Amino acid sequence: AQSVTQPDIHITVSEGASLELRCNYSYGATPYLFWYVQSPGQGLQLLLKYFSGDTLVQGIKGFEAEFKRSQSSFNLRKPSVHWSDAAEYFCAGGPANNLFFGTGTRLTVIP
Amino acid sequence: DTEVTQTPKHLVMGMTNKKSLKCEQHMGHRAMYWYKQKAKKPPELMFVYSYEKLSINESVPSRFSPECPNSSLLNLHLHALQPEDSALYLCASSQMDRERDTEAFFGQGTRLTVV
Repeated sequence: AQSVTQPDIHITVSEGASLELRCNYSYGATPYLFWYVQSPGQGLQLLLKYFSGDTLVQGIKGFEAEFKRSQSSFNLRKPSVHWSDAAEYFCAGGPANNLFFGTGTRLTVIP
Repeated sequence: DTEVTQTPKHLVMGMTNKKSLKCEQHMGHRAMYWYKQKAKKPPELMFVYSYEKLSINESVPSRFSPECPNSSLLNLHLHALQPEDSALYLCASSQMDRERDTEAFFGQGTRLTVV
């Protein structure tokens, strides 16, 4: 069965530190992969997507993700975290008309 | 414009009430979706509309009734809900182009409380 797994339920980082959120996927074919961010009580905002091609994907708000087929991973990274990045982050697999989400990683940013 | 607009933002309803959630997009997308999200959980797909026709119904109780009046609008009619139906209801849309990869765009959600 297709699935994505986010091993970390909660991560705390200091403002200005680097960030990496993990996502592993289980997929039969070439995966469609996404990272969404959700602030409390809000909807989901698409950060970035991977369909094919270049395995390093740039997104909004300074985020990037790298698709590694050998590790079945699609980890999200940011070189310097801002306090406004505190939110819930969801990795998801596609296609868009049948998205399946990971359980999410809550990011706390401390001053 | 990559906006999906949902109204109302908050809704409190009694178990005998009838209410509707509304969703609108003007991106020319031909697929629209309803998701339900409980606290501290990922969104769960409820319904998929493709070219204004219901294509997927993920075993949702009949007290939830979707409607797609046209390609830009999606409604979710609510009747005789239970307190456990309290959740954030998210609408999303995407293109339905078989030759192009596509992503889903989400609205801000309607926070529903059933009392």
